Amino acid sequence: GAGVSQSPSNKVTEKGKDVELRCDPISGHTALYWYRQSLGQGLEFLIYFQGNSAPDKSGLPSDRFSAERTGGSVSTLTIQRTQQEDSAVYLCASSPTGTSKETQYFGPGTRLLVL
Amino acid sequence: GDSVTQMEGPVTLSEEAFLTINCTYTATGYPSLFWYVQYPGEGLQLLLKATKADDKGSNKGFEATYRKETTSFHLEKGSVQVSDSAVYFCALRGSNTGKLIFGQGTTLQVKP
Repeated sequence: GAGVSQSPSNKVTEKGKDVELRCDPISGHTALYWYRQSLGQGLEFLIYFQGNSAPDKSGLPSDRFSAERTGGSVSTLTIQRTQQEDSAVYLCASSPTGTSKETQYFGPGTRLLVL
Repeated sequence: GDSVTQMEGPVTLSEEAFLTINCTYTATGYPSLFWYVQYPGEGLQLLLKATKADDKGSNKGFEATYRKETTSFHLEKGSVQVSDSAVYFCALRGSNTGKLIFGQGTTLQVKP
């Protein structure tokens, strides 16, 4: 079946602009996760959704970052007033029900470059 | 807080050599442990996992055993191939949290 998909695959933006990143999880997966992969910081957790609710937003680095999930499916990560330090690969993952023993399946990522 | 520490890379081996990548963790309770692999130009994919103490995860000739007494989950393979060249990430997930906590990654290069 189809895996996790993300769009766009690459995004170049100017400092100060807003960007939206999209994630389509595996069909039927109720849990969805956002991570960020950067050279300096490695792989960092951003936010976790269970259905449309976000019980853990602890990894969002500032109030410029927000995310939502609608219909228990697609999720959008929004970064407002982008800064150069936001440049990274943004990864989305999903899992069937969100239990700790489940595998998280990752998408290919969106590579964001802020000029 | 919970954390994962991996051995520093890069690791360079000749084909058919034995591989060990060390991973230790700090966590409260009983986390699940994972090894993910990222091949060049590809996304993160699960290599193996173990969800309770003394479990052994295995896949594609790789193995790792969940050792609670030493808080370790070392990755091993008896005979590496050039195609195993990739970045390997050790990760944990606590029983009361949604997030994976990753180690810093270890780059493996296998030469013919």
